[in-house]
Amino acid sequence: AQSVTQLGSHVSVSEGALVLLRCNYSSSVPPYLFWYVQYPNQGLQLLLKYTTGATLVKGINGFEAEFKKSETSFHLTKPSAHMSDAAEYFCAVILYNQGGKLIFGQGTELSVKP
Amino acid sequence: DARVTQTPRHKVTEMGQEVTMRCQPILGHNTVFWYRQTMMQGLELLAYFRNRAPLDDSGMPKDRFSAEMPDATLATLKIQPSEPRDSAVYFCASGLGSLAGATDTQYFGPGTRLTVL
Repeated sequence: AQSVTQLGSHVSVSEGALVLLRCNYSSSVPPYLFWYVQYPNQGLQLLLKYTTGATLVKGINGFEAEFKKSETSFHLTKPSAHMSDAAEYFCAVILYNQGGKLIFGQGTELSVKP
Repeated sequence: DARVTQTPRHKVTEMGQEVTMRCQPILGHNTVFWYRQTMMQGLELLAYFRNRAPLDDSGMPKDRFSAEMPDATLATLKIQPSEPRDSAVYFCASGLGSLAGATDTQYFGPGTRLTVL
């Protein structure tokens, strides 16, 4: 069975500091991996995704993530946090051999301190 | 700017009442998903459709929940009768499924916040 684990339900960083949100997955087949962001009282918005090809993926708002097969990880990073980055972030894996069901992690709430 | 729309955005109802939530997927998308989000359970997939046909509704309580796609531009999720434990935010998402069955990016609507008293 495929699953997603996000380490840390809450992460707090100072403005300008590095953002690192951790995600590990388990999958018996090559996964498609996603990071979504949810701002308060809004739906989820795609930040970036990995399907095939280059393992370092760049997304919107300066975020990037690297697929590391040996570590079964897909950590999300941003070099310098901005106040507007405060939101909840979800890592997800897709069951592409079962019609495309997204399996979400539990989410990590990012706080950015001035 | 194509978006998934959901109505209503907020719904407060009493236990036992019927609730209907509606979703308009992005034009041209052939796959529609219904999710429920709660603090305790996080994001749960309730059901999804491909080309209007239900593919999987295993995440949905069958006795009170039903999901349909009357046409390609409308998906509905009904709860009858509603219970306080159904209080949650319900999201609809749409995407374009490939021939192999996978759906790449899913585009989420703003959600319906349901409160059952």
